[in-house]
Amino acid sequence: DVKVTQSSRYLVKRTGEKVFLECVQDMDHENMFWYRQDPGLGLRLIYFSYDVKMKEKGDIPEGYSVSREKKERFSLILESASTNQTSMYLCACRHDGRGASYEQYFGPGTRLTVT
Amino acid sequence: SQQGEEDPQALSIQEGENATMNCSYKTSINNLQWYRQNSGRGLVHLILIRSNEREKHSGRLRVTLDTSKKSSSLLITASRAADTASYFCATVAASNFGNEKLTFGTGTRLTIIP
Repeated sequence: DVKVTQSSRYLVKRTGEKVFLECVQDMDHENMFWYRQDPGLGLRLIYFSYDVKMKEKGDIPEGYSVSREKKERFSLILESASTNQTSMYLCACRHDGRGASYEQYFGPGTRLTVT
Repeated sequence: SQQGEEDPQALSIQEGENATMNCSYKTSINNLQWYRQNSGRGLVHLILIRSNEREKHSGRLRVTLDTSKKSSSLLITASRAADTASYFCATVAASNFGNEKLTFGTGTRLTIIP
């Protein structure tokens, strides 16, 4: 079974702090994704990566950056946290290519509160 | 931008009844997927239906796809308390196939009453 882990389930940070959210997957999947989930808005894509050191902006990249130095790890960085970044953050991975099912595997989520 | 919109936003039914959720989307798709999310947890993939398919089954799940109406439905038969969760549809647009991004809807909150 694919396992996607996120570094924290709950996180409380102060406005202006630099925040790192870590995601690790154990199945050698090429693609990794970061979403945020807010009530009434569903999941919105922040950034994704289809290979090591590659990154693409999603629908709402402002205020965020990412890092993918190793295939299994995809980090989301809030350079200067703000209260409007209080949200649930979900990481996902997916394998593409011949025979792929295109389903995404999600981590358990990190509920971030910025005060 | 949100591609999929689920209907209804919330649904409560008695255990044993069938639950139907609908999803509408705006642009041509390559495939449509349904996910389940238990409260406060990550999403779990349930089923995928490709644009050239009209119906698909998996256990108690039945998914239909009508590309002419740009809509899909998820039917859960003989519901159980454990089916209580939020259900999301997600689409892969036909235009960007090859570097697929899933676009999620806002979800249907399903509550099964024991």
